[in-house]
Amino acid sequence: KAGVTQTPRYLIKTRGQQVTLSCSPISGHRSVSWYQQTPGQGLQFLFEYFSETQRNKGNFPGRFSGRQFSNSRSEMNVSTLELGDSALYLCASSRMTGVTEAFFGQGTRLTVV
Amino acid sequence: SQQGEEDPQALSIQEGENATMNCSYKTSINNLQWYRQNSGRGLVHLILIRSNEREKHSGRLRVTLDTSKKSSSLLITASRAADTASYFCATDPNTGNQFYFGTGTSLTVIP
Repeated sequence: KAGVTQTPRYLIKTRGQQVTLSCSPISGHRSVSWYQQTPGQGLQFLFEYFSETQRNKGNFPGRFSGRQFSNSRSEMNVSTLELGDSALYLCASSRMTGVTEAFFGQGTRLTVV
Repeated sequence: SQQGEEDPQALSIQEGENATMNCSYKTSINNLQWYRQNSGRGLVHLILIRSNEREKHSGRLRVTLDTSKKSSSLLITASRAADTASYFCATDPNTGNQFYFGTGTSLTVIP
């Protein structure tokens, strides 16, 4: 079956702009979580959605937001981009919450100039 | 920070040798998962071990978990050049799929 699909794969934006990233989970998976990976901070949790509801949120400013649609697809939005937002953004999907494997997409590489 | 730490940070071995990397974490967990990441790409799920399990095998992978010491180890036997990657452990102390990742071990397998 198809894996987790993230679009776009690469993105270049200018400071102050906003960006929307998309994640399509594995069919049947209802939980989607987002992570930011940078060389300095490593992999950091952004937020998690389950059945269109945000269940958990990491320690990121309000410029980072997300949502999940009824088909479990998820988007994350970053407004007023800063240079420090340059990172690999990874999305993970799981069948349900609890003890279950999480499968990651290939990520979206965001560069803010 | 609630992130775990992997040890060593970097490991270089010859093809055919075994590679062992360790992960320590700070809070109680539901389960622990290991992932592999090839340069700048997505994370590939390797193995999940539940908090009530002590050891698990999958192909050339062997994972142990010691919840009393809050640590886990990943052993890759008979390493191959294709195993060259960064390896991360991830824990989920909450009920949701919110993972805390370790700092990663960069493994280089020399042909």
